[in-house]
Amino acid sequence: SQTIHQWPATLVQPVGSPLSLECTVEGTSNPNLYWYRQAAGRGLQLLFYSVGIGQISSEVPQNLSASRPQDRQFILSSKKLLLSDSGFYLCLGGDKGTQYFGPGTRLLVL
Amino acid sequence: SQQGEEDPQALSIQEGENATMNCSYKTSINNLQWYRQNSGRGLVHLILIRSNEREKHSGRLRVTLDTSKKSSSLLITASRAADTASYFCATDIGTSGSRLTFGEGTQLTVNP
Repeated sequence: SQTIHQWPATLVQPVGSPLSLECTVEGTSNPNLYWYRQAAGRGLQLLFYSVGIGQISSEVPQNLSASRPQDRQFILSSKKLLLSDSGFYLCLGGDKGTQYFGPGTRLLVL
Repeated sequence: SQQGEEDPQALSIQEGENATMNCSYKTSINNLQWYRQNSGRGLVHLILIRSNEREKHSGRLRVTLDTSKKSSSLLITASRAADTASYFCATDIGTSGSRLTFGEGTQLTVNP
């Protein structure tokens, strides 16, 4: 079965520092991968999605970037974090119609 | 704005009652999915209904889809306190692979 791993689980970073969140997938090949952000008490905002290695689509203009260096690895990055980057970051991955969320990374930017 | 919008935003019921949540969306979809999120946790996939299906069941869950009205409903029968969570609908509108967009969710509280 498919499993989505994310780390770290929690991260506290100062404004202006860099960010790297990693998502990896087990149990499938060539998955579609997605990064979502969830503000407290709100729905999920799609940030990036990828249908293959090196293929990244950005949904909203922002301070973040994404990369897919390997088939089952999806990385969310920032060169300089803003206070507004705080939130719960969720990776979604899998085959079309059979997708799973990772446990999420809670990011607090101070 | 979000593709999917859930209604109501919050719902409080007694254990044993049925809970109904609705979702409306704007564009054509490939499928619609319902997810559950316990407070502070990741989302768990509950059920997927394809655009050519009208109703689907999974245990105590019943999902309907009306593509003419661009709406879906999630019914949880005989609710339990453990059903307390946020429920989100997600519409798959991707053309080259799935692309899920989520609503703001319905916060369900089941009182024992």
